[in-house]
Amino acid sequence: GAGVSQSPSNKVTEKGKDVELRCDPISGHTALYWYRQSLGQGLEFLIYFQGNSAPDKSGLPSDRFSAERTGGSVSTLTIQRTQQEDSAVYLCASSLEAGRRVEQYFGPGTRLTVT
Amino acid sequence: GESVGLHLPTLSVQEGDNSIINCAYSNSASDYFIWYKQESGKGPQFIIDIRSNMDKRQGQRVTVLLNKTVKHLSLQIAATQPGDSAVYFCAENNPGGGADGLTFGKGTHLIIQP
Repeated sequence: GAGVSQSPSNKVTEKGKDVELRCDPISGHTALYWYRQSLGQGLEFLIYFQGNSAPDKSGLPSDRFSAERTGGSVSTLTIQRTQQEDSAVYLCASSLEAGRRVEQYFGPGTRLTVT
Repeated sequence: GESVGLHLPTLSVQEGDNSIINCAYSNSASDYFIWYKQESGKGPQFIIDIRSNMDKRQGQRVTVLLNKTVKHLSLQIAATQPGDSAVYFCAENNPGGGADGLTFGKGTHLIIQP
């Protein structure tokens, strides 16, 4: 595709329910990143994938958060037993390759609201 | 705490004027910095980057300055236009850490007044 896409664009869920957020990276990009942006805050790094493996999961806030990537393309971020503090915009980015000086391209984000 | 941050949460400038957005970082080992622009409802968009072996880098209407002595980064936007209204984030790429993710500051909201 032309850019990184994410779905859904908005998700409202009740506290305690599980949610899945999807990211479609730019075709051919091997690295994929998840970030969280709370209201009025900067972006918080969650996890990144190089291919299908996730070398660094240290940013995941709790064990309720998990992510997977299959086929080196689409990734899903799952939040189990959602809490109100999980409300935020979840952003996905991809880059041609992993590396500390490689430009990341961001998707529009999924706005999650936990009621 | 965060290793990067911004001095001002909101900056208002007149259309046509130049604007300067500042950023401070705390990790002296940081060697790569990026400025992103985020418009309402959209993801961050890359503007310009700079490596620590440079002091200045210019793009189209934008200039990034890096002062490693005081660990300060700035973004200068020349002849601001209404389309420049957005939140601007500086970010560093974690040096020496396992993650390849970016560490972002909280952002500065740039408002262009007509």
